[in-house]
Amino acid sequence: ILNVEQSPQSLHVQEGDSTNFTCSFPSSNFYALHWYRWETAKSPKALFVMTLNGDEKKKGRISATLNTKEGYSYLYIKGSQPEDSATYLCALRIDTPLVFGKGTRLSVIA
Amino acid sequence: DGGITQSPKYLFRKEGQNVTLSCEQNLNHDAMYWYRQDPGQGLRLIYYSQIVNDFQKGDIAEGYSVSREKKESFPLTVTSAQKNPTAFYLCASNRGASSYEQYFGPGTRLTVT
Repeated sequence: ILNVEQSPQSLHVQEGDSTNFTCSFPSSNFYALHWYRWETAKSPKALFVMTLNGDEKKKGRISATLNTKEGYSYLYIKGSQPEDSATYLCALRIDTPLVFGKGTRLSVIA
Repeated sequence: DGGITQSPKYLFRKEGQNVTLSCEQNLNHDAMYWYRQDPGQGLRLIYYSQIVNDFQKGDIAEGYSVSREKKESFPLTVTSAQKNPTAFYLCASNRGASSYEQYFGPGTRLTVT
């Protein structure tokens, strides 16, 4: 079974800090990488879908990069706010439906 | 209001009983998926369907069954053969290709005692 690793498992930052976390995956036969934000008591919501090596995507204070050759993606949050507190999931599509990592749980302390 | 609905939000069953979880979408999506989440685990794929009247097993299909008779609906039955049915179940849908984001329902928490 394909293994998608996310690190760190959890993270506590102060409001205003910038932060980043990692999604690592096997680099062969890559199709697409997805990032989702999952807030407590809500459904996961898509942040980005990236398909090309070198892709960089941005939505407000959140951005992501993709390196398919070395098998990793970074998610960056600039100037974290309490509303950014959530679990961030990455998911990989190779030759099967999406395989999800276990997520990084971010807590932003006001 | 477009989206995915799952019902009920909480479900309690006695061991040995089959139980069916509902998932409906009005997004006109071709593909639908069922995931299970356990504490400390990522989302694990149970079953998926890319088109009406067709579905495939995911990584943990044993003890589960599905049907896809209508595009909008993809019910999941947790059978008595599922050894550890207590979990949080999420349904999702998308247009079908890997480059399309998945839309998730609110989930059903199933407790079997």
